[in-house]
Amino acid sequence: QSALTQPASVSGSPGQSITISCTGTSSDVGGYIYVSWYQVHPGKAPKLMIYDVHNRPSGVSNRFSGSKSGNTASLTISGLQADDEADYYCISYVRSNTLFVFGSGTKVTVL
Amino acid sequence: QVQLQESGPGLVKPSETLSLTCSVSGGSMTDYYWSWIRQPPGRTLEWVGYIFYSGIATYNPFLKSRVSISIDTSRNQMSLTVTSVTTADTAIYYCARRRSSYGYDFDFWGQGTLVTVSS
Repeated sequence: QSALTQPASVSGSPGQSITISCTGTSSDVGGYIYVSWYQVHPGKAPKLMIYDVHNRPSGVSNRFSGSKSGNTASLTISGLQADDEADYYCISYVRSNTLFVFGSGTKVTVL
Repeated sequence: QVQLQESGPGLVKPSETLSLTCSVSGGSMTDYYWSWIRQPPGRTLEWVGYIFYSGIATYNPFLKSRVSISIDTSRNQMSLTVTSVTTADTAIYYCARRRSSYGYDFDFWGQGTLVTVSS
């Protein structure tokens, strides 16, 4: 089962914007709207940040936004804050009987 | 607010059976799919399977022969069984709720429980 490709790490200073990419294929990211993003703080429950490429669940800050172009989805965090420091994963539906494919994960560091 | 909590043994011997429970509070299990997702050390997440509240389960084909998921809506609990475990089954195991029947994402997760397979 191949993972979606994410950068291992991304960093930025408070107040800056960063973007995390999630690259797949036409069988997953490129073929469907079902891309979601999760924030994971160590030892805590993962939190849904974006679903269906660009939709934010209720209660998620509008500093988080999602987009997609071709086989690559992106999560942008604007106005970076200390609490944004966490691991981020993307998940996509995949046209196979495994149904879900996960990103390799990105560690976001706030400098 | 829906909350999920995984529980079970943290250590399982090779060739034995791993059993975990997910307890759901703050909401009903009705109308939703409930999933198990795991993360081996140093690796990304992996979907194990999910079960509809009615009891119909779907599994990752790579694990299907060893995995079973059950649900007890009267107790608001879901269970996972993995048989004939090896060190490759060592992972943090999460339970999660699929947000809707028409989507492929998870809106509530437990904090995960580490299961180590070792003699």
